[in-house]
Amino acid sequence: DSGVTQTPKHLITATGQRVTLRCSPRSGDLSVYWYQQSLDQGLQFLIQYYNGEERAKGNILERFSAQQFPDLHSELNLSSLELGDSALYFCASSVGWGDYNEQFFGPGTRLTVL
Amino acid sequence: AQKVTQAQTEISVVEKEDVTLDCVYETRDTTYYLFWYKQPPSGELVFLIRRNSFDEQNEISGRYSWNFQKSTSSFNFTITASQVVDSAVYFCALSELFMNRDDKIIFGKGTRLHILP
Repeated sequence: DSGVTQTPKHLITATGQRVTLRCSPRSGDLSVYWYQQSLDQGLQFLIQYYNGEERAKGNILERFSAQQFPDLHSELNLSSLELGDSALYFCASSVGWGDYNEQFFGPGTRLTVL
Repeated sequence: AQKVTQAQTEISVVEKEDVTLDCVYETRDTTYYLFWYKQPPSGELVFLIRRNSFDEQNEISGRYSWNFQKSTSSFNFTITASQVVDSAVYFCALSELFMNRDDKIIFGKGTRLHILP
């Protein structure tokens, strides 16, 4: 158990809908990272937050947004969902802010868009 | 542009054999980080190592070792005396040093490793 929790574990929804994925980092970790893993695109970095502020942005679509709250949990919002958004979404956390120092991953949320 | 190539899509070895997973990268930057991650059949991701471009020393951690060679742009991962629990997909990744908010980490497509009992 990495200490990072993600909810829900599975999510099934329809095209055009909006969903929110939630991540709670390990106690003491200030950084949260979001990744997407799909068959087509492989593993992709989406975005990082550090202590409530956006720190780095990767291949995140404009339809997607994220935030990190004062209690350090993070949410990834996916809107206007398309079939291609079906993927496993991982959250990870680390102590520091820079350069992907050691990260601990959550179990992932599997999103299925029908 | 950044690129990470893991040419070995799938490898099978018999338990206790040594196995090396290859990773070749491309970057225009002189300062960058290289990583390996493990994804066992259960699906979770496990961070294994981060190496910065200034440190070409090889790293050993138990049965795992990493060979970083800037001259060939490679960052290979060797498992010695492999065990069935090493069966997983292994990802190599590259990140140019965080300089601005558009920095990102690029992953290879992964190598699926089967350790046969």
